[in-house]
Amino acid sequence: DAGVTQSPTHLIKTRGQQVTLRCSPKSGHDTVSWYQQALGQGPQFIFQYYEEEERQRGNFPDRFSGHQFPNYSSELNVNALLLGDSALYLCASSPDGNIQYFGAGTRLSVL
Amino acid sequence: AQSVSQHNHHVILSEAASLELGCNYSYGGTVNLFWYVQYPGQHLQLLLKYFSGDPLVKGIKGFEAEFIKSKFSFNLRKPSVQWSDTAEYFCAVAPSGTYKYIFGTGTRLKVLA
Repeated sequence: DAGVTQSPTHLIKTRGQQVTLRCSPKSGHDTVSWYQQALGQGPQFIFQYYEEEERQRGNFPDRFSGHQFPNYSSELNVNALLLGDSALYLCASSPDGNIQYFGAGTRLSVL
Repeated sequence: AQSVSQHNHHVILSEAASLELGCNYSYGGTVNLFWYVQYPGQHLQLLLKYFSGDPLVKGIKGFEAEFIKSKFSFNLRKPSVQWSDTAEYFCAVAPSGTYKYIFGTGTRLKVLA
């Protein structure tokens, strides 16, 4: 049984560009959350998707948007990249929204 | 603002020593509490969780945690650490009725063989 899978593993972009990160949840999980983990910090909640709708959002600007597909997979989009967006982006899936299972993350570097 | 504090950023112990990692949160309502571990090169894994009931919860690999509501704390303990416990440990809090986890900044544990 595959766990939460994220792609790509690493990504390098320049300021002002746009990026799309992808996540496939564990089998049987219908809820996907996204977190940003800056170096030396704990993960920070970006938003959660359930039934293809954004169910809850953290303190992130509108440049951060997402999508959930009918097969429960999800994308995180970040527009107009800033240097400060450089971080590890984690996806977590859940069967009930409460216990979350994390993927290995996508390391985004913005130059 | 809701926050989680992990007071020890780096801890170094010898094998067989006892471990206690502190976690305090600021939120007055009901919460769900979690400890996650990240071994070198691996993803975050759930160690244990508390939703309700007995405030002393047992997790995997001999870890346990105690919820003390009056102190807003959820400290992680292990009686005797092993070299393989070297990892980063994160405390997380989810206010009841929300789905977001609020994480602490993590504690890096190094166990010397």
